[in-house]
Amino acid sequence: EVQLVESGGGLIQPGGSLRLSCEASGLTVSDNYMSWVRQAPGKGLEWVSVIYRDGNTYYADSVKGRFTISRDNSKNTLYLQMISLRAEDTAVYYCASAYSGTRISAYWGQGTLVTVSS
Amino acid sequence: DIVMTQSPDSLAVSLGERATLNCKSSQSILYTSNNKNYLAWYQQKPGQPPKLLIYWASTRDSGVPDRFSGSGSGTDFTLTISSLQDEDGAVYYCQQYFSTPWTFGQGTKVEIK
Repeated sequence: EVQLVESGGGLIQPGGSLRLSCEASGLTVSDNYMSWVRQAPGKGLEWVSVIYRDGNTYYADSVKGRFTISRDNSKNTLYLQMISLRAEDTAVYYCASAYSGTRISAYWGQGTLVTVSS
Repeated sequence: DIVMTQSPDSLAVSLGERATLNCKSSQSILYTSNNKNYLAWYQQKPGQPPKLLIYWASTRDSGVPDRFSGSGSGTDFTLTISSLQDEDGAVYYCQQYFSTPWTFGQGTKVEIK
């Protein structure tokens, strides 16, 4: 059974930094397209970033230059390093994994809440 | 970037009736080399992560009831719930995974009348 468990969210002041983690079981992070999707309170889903199997990374314009997606193969864990946080980054952040060999985000974690506020 | 536009924003449907949700992409998401549309549909209920319903525009995910069906190609897509059940009240999102950024539509809220 595939499980994705996010952690690292919390209350952070504007301009601060935070690192989110997504620990995977039942799949191998390095073998799959792994992405981050966020949802601001009461709003829709916003795609944030993806790391391909070959290690290439892509970002939404709204986070480019501030967020960095990475993975630790030895820990089978996905990360999202966030710097220069803004109030508009406040959201639940979901980690998602695609079906093997595809870009279809089939498996989702329960999410971790990031609140950027002074 | 590919913009995904869903319509309507919300709809109220009676139990047992059909619900039709639309999704339009700003450019084709049909990959001609494999003839696949890179489109997925998700269902999200309050306090829960999205749940994959449909991928490749028309393939139902494992365990998804057959009252859910997806259709369309190129830029215009439809999710149909053939006979609405109580548990189908949710927000539905389409997403393209043809090219990055993998954009979502704004969502359609389905309410049970």
